[in-house]
Amino acid sequence: DADVTQTPRNRITKTGKRIMLECSQTKGHDRMYWYRQDPGLGLRLIYYSFDVKDINKGEISDGYSVSRQAQAKFSLSLESAIPNQTALYFCATSDNADGGSPYEQYFGPGTRLTVT
Amino acid sequence: QKEVEQNSGPLSVPEGAIASLNCTYSDRVSQSFFWYRQYSGKSPELIMSIYSNGDKEDGRFTAQLNKASQYVSLLIRDSQPSDSATYLCAVKEYGNKLVFGAGTILRVKS
Repeated sequence: DADVTQTPRNRITKTGKRIMLECSQTKGHDRMYWYRQDPGLGLRLIYYSFDVKDINKGEISDGYSVSRQAQAKFSLSLESAIPNQTALYFCATSDNADGGSPYEQYFGPGTRLTVT
Repeated sequence: QKEVEQNSGPLSVPEGAIASLNCTYSDRVSQSFFWYRQYSGKSPELIMSIYSNGDKEDGRFTAQLNKASQYVSLLIRDSQPSDSATYLCAVKEYGNKLVFGAGTILRVKS
């Protein structure tokens, strides 16, 4: 079974609709992240969470909200979807240590969202 | 916002050649650097990490880091068609956040 799962994998929605993307992980990591990827722009951080009670805005949080329901679950919501939120969305996790030691992020399979 | 720059490519190399991918970053205090490979429509996959100046080798991959010049590179020896993908450079910020470059498309021609 995959360590990081995302649902749905593909979604087409209309402008103005509310949509939730879900992420679950079995890696036991405390830190979770939501990114969007657009052609030519790479991965941009939307929100991140270091534990259940810690939520932080990333580079492009406007128009998005998140919920950390449990250590293993981190959901991304678009309250009123707009066409320029059409993108590939990735959830990622990492271990909780900081400082001088290196830690890597592990990505889910992605959700392709189209807003018409 | 700290920046990570990569040539978008595509970089085309013949099968068996060495592919050289480069990345520059703006934050002088960055300490951890990563290369991710992403096949079309798939999620990024970590292939190399490097934290000290110099070279780090792992199979056909070599990561090179020069903190004074603020660049990190990835060499792929004996390139194979299966190496064709987008390669993302990432730099770790405080709190284990990563800043990604836009990626370099690599095409290995058989």
